[in-house]
Amino acid sequence: QKEVEQNSGPLSVPEGAIASLNCTYSDRGSQSFFWYRQYSGKSPELIMFIYSNGDKEDGRFTAQLNKASQYVSLLIRDSQPSDSATYLCAEGNQFYFGTGTSLTVIP
Amino acid sequence: ETGVTQTPRHLVMGMTNKKSLKCEQHLGHNAMYWYKQSAKKPLELMFVYNFKEQTENNSVPSRFSPECPNSSHLFLHLHTLQPEDSALYLCASSPRQGGNYGYTFGSGTRLTVV
Repeated sequence: QKEVEQNSGPLSVPEGAIASLNCTYSDRGSQSFFWYRQYSGKSPELIMFIYSNGDKEDGRFTAQLNKASQYVSLLIRDSQPSDSATYLCAEGNQFYFGTGTSLTVIP
Repeated sequence: ETGVTQTPRHLVMGMTNKKSLKCEQHLGHNAMYWYKQSAKKPLELMFVYNFKEQTENNSVPSRFSPECPNSSHLFLHLHTLQPEDSALYLCASSPRQGGNYGYTFGSGTRLTVV
């Protein structure tokens, strides 16, 4: 079983802080990962895709992949209340998703 | 209409009923997917269609029957469901299967089996 594990949270950060969301995976063969954001009662929407080791930045979002340690993370800088949602990590084939981490940004 | 549209948004059905979920995408994509989302559980991939051909069946019980008449439409036919099948059923699409494409999800059908 190719598992993707996430801390379900909830994670609370104050507005303007950096939110750090983490995901670990069991299959060393996994090459890439996706991050999705899911607002309550809504469907997931794609935020980031990362393939290479290291960091990938897109606006306030930075995805980090460490294949040696088998983890992938998502950093949200200058967190806003509108970032409050559940964040899902998925391995590249998108057959396996994590259970999601619930983030609340406190004004 | 744009994006991925799912109907109905909500469905309540008895265990002996037969119903169908519909998904339509207006993105010109060639791959479509059905996922099941239950509380406290990861998204579960159910079926994958690539260029109208089913390429994945993730050990889904036969009471769920998919149909993909063309690259824009996907159905999930339901019959003799169990209460544990109550969940949010999400349809998604991508340009094609694989290729590291992110998926565009529909709004989902909230299914309750009574």
